Amino acid sequence: AQTVTQSQPEMSVQEAETVTLSCTYDTSESNYYLFWYKQPPSRQMILVIRQEAYKQQNATENRFSVNFQKAAKSFSLKISDSQLGDTAMYFCASYNYGQNFVFGPGTRLSVLP
Amino acid sequence: KAGVTQTPRYLIKTRGQQVTLSCSPISGHRSVSWYQQTPGQGLQFLFEYFSETQRNKGNFPGRFSGRQFSNSRSEMNVSTLELGDSALYLCASSLEGTGDSPLHFGNGTRLTVT
Repeated sequence: AQTVTQSQPEMSVQEAETVTLSCTYDTSESNYYLFWYKQPPSRQMILVIRQEAYKQQNATENRFSVNFQKAAKSFSLKISDSQLGDTAMYFCASYNYGQNFVFGPGTRLSVLP
Repeated sequence: KAGVTQTPRYLIKTRGQQVTLSCSPISGHRSVSWYQQTPGQGLQFLFEYFSETQRNKGNFPGRFSGRQFSNSRSEMNVSTLELGDSALYLCASSLEGTGDSPLHFGNGTRLTVT
């Protein structure tokens, strides 16, 4: 069974600074996908970034990048130049073929002015 | 394209009643999945429908059921409501429901059971 763990329930960062959110996962599959989703106070979940496990290169999307360590089953999200609009719950998620998406418990990030 | 639409946004029901929630996916998306979100449990997977067939099911009691219509719209039903069913119910659609077609979420339905 897939499991996703996020060990940081809450974090805060000053505007314009960099913050890293941690995620570890467990799967017996060799091919899978990993995601970071953001849920702002408006509550709509939005995809931030996606990583395919067979790709060694870390995914990046503008100010968002991941550090994918396959052997360690670690998938952290780095947010550079944090903005007030980055304040949200961040969920790490995994997907194995033929199964459902599994989400971690989330990390509440507050960007402070 | 219009996003995923969930109705209603808010719902208040009494214990023992039943409720039906609706989800209209993004046009062209064939997979619709449902999640229950609570502060203590996070996002818990309920079920996924693909081309009108339930493809995956989470660990929820039989009081939770769903269906998908030929136009991909989906409904979720909860019978004999309990206080613990109070939650935000999220619907997500995707092209194929696989990792290479990520989930797109609706705004959710906030259900309160009194």
